[in-house]
Amino acid sequence: NAGVTQTPKFRILKIGQSMTLQCTQDMNHNYMYWYRQDPGMGLKLIYYSVGAGITDKGEVPNGYNVSRSTTEDFPLRLELAAPSQTSVYFCASSYSTGAPYGYTFGSGTRLTVV
Amino acid sequence: AQSVTQLGSHVSVSEGALVLLRCNYSSSVPPYLFWYVQYPNQGLQLLLKYTTGATLVKGINGFEAEFKKSETSFHLTKPSAHMSDAAEYFCAVSNQGGKLIFGQGTELSVKP
Repeated sequence: NAGVTQTPKFRILKIGQSMTLQCTQDMNHNYMYWYRQDPGMGLKLIYYSVGAGITDKGEVPNGYNVSRSTTEDFPLRLELAAPSQTSVYFCASSYSTGAPYGYTFGSGTRLTVV
Repeated sequence: AQSVTQLGSHVSVSEGALVLLRCNYSSSVPPYLFWYVQYPNQGLQLLLKYTTGATLVKGINGFEAEFKKSETSFHLTKPSAHMSDAAEYFCAVSNQGGKLIFGQGTELSVKP
């Protein structure tokens, strides 16, 4: 019973490098989300998807891209890493919209850009 | 628009003492309310939620929360704190058809 799986757990990037944060869920959830968490700032929504082939911007999408080719996978792409993208990234999924079910979260990816 | 305010970014209690974490929300429609807990270096876990019906909601690990519409509050309580309760706690609000909006989080410390 894996739930939401994120890889890698930790990563250090140099400024200007690119990488993809992987997220996969095995609960057949249609809705998936990417958040970033910064100290004292709570969770900020980056992008979300309501189903395969459908994505939309959240509160802080600049510098990121996503795709949703399958129900299970929702990767987050950083094209030109910047120090401001140093953060902890969480992927989440839900059966329908967040209400009334709530979200299931992955364990996070801690990214440092130097 | 909906919003959530958690009063106090850090709360410290002694082991065995009452835990009270405050959450106030703003919503123009009947809200759905959630509390999540995040242990160090882990993701968020659902602690409890209010959707409809009974306003006193019981969750895991002895936590409970009461929905008070007149006060637009959904405070989280636990009668007796354990060392294992040390974590960060997030309140969230949503309405039917909406995404979850999270508060800033409250870090709970438990002193022996």
